[in-house]
Amino acid sequence: SQQGEEDPQALSIQEGENATMNCSYKTSINNLQWYRQNSGRGLVHLILIRSNEREKHSGRLRVTLDTSKKSSSLLITASRAADTASYFCATEGDSGYSTLTFGKGTMLLVSP
Amino acid sequence: NAGVTQTPKFQVLKTGQSMTLQCAQDMNHEYMSWYRQDPGMGLRLIHYSVGAGITDQGEVPNGYNVSRSTTEDFPLRLLSAAPSQTSVYFCASTIQGGKGGYTFGSGTRLTVV
Repeated sequence: SQQGEEDPQALSIQEGENATMNCSYKTSINNLQWYRQNSGRGLVHLILIRSNEREKHSGRLRVTLDTSKKSSSLLITASRAADTASYFCATEGDSGYSTLTFGKGTMLLVSP
Repeated sequence: NAGVTQTPKFQVLKTGQSMTLQCAQDMNHEYMSWYRQDPGMGLRLIHYSVGAGITDQGEVPNGYNVSRSTTEDFPLRLLSAAPSQTSVYFCASTIQGGKGGYTFGSGTRLTVV
């Protein structure tokens, strides 16, 4: 079953604006990861945040994690047209052999 | 470094036919997984392997077989293709669970008619 649920399902913004996507999950986790998928392509790993971390930055990306609320957010600052893609959160469990469980994704459209 | 290589990129099968989707990685990753992606469903785990000789089922394993005889290769076999298996298939790998992000292949788009 799907672990993560992203919100919103679709987001349309102008270049230069910030884009915020949210993810909620159901079970305890070892870490949460965000991926980008350009149309018709494979997924690209963006950032990983561990369950004992609250915030992480990578370039124009900022990820927060609230394990008490079982939620995470991905902020892309100063968006560019090249950021247009689908973004997925995925969780890795904390027991036994871990696997990635994905949400359904957020489609981001950045217009010039 | 080629990363994760999937072949073929596109395939059309007739109902009842069998085929093998190939996946190879050259990063010495222990963990490998197969996912399918359907519109509006995100990615769902089919099978995974935590090392050579070790495989296990994911969320949607029915109709698929896997084996892992080497660290590098993790083929996915469709035993008797059905239209419900029309999907895009992705192979992914990571060094070990909980150690870092996964590297994905570029996908195989399969249509079963």
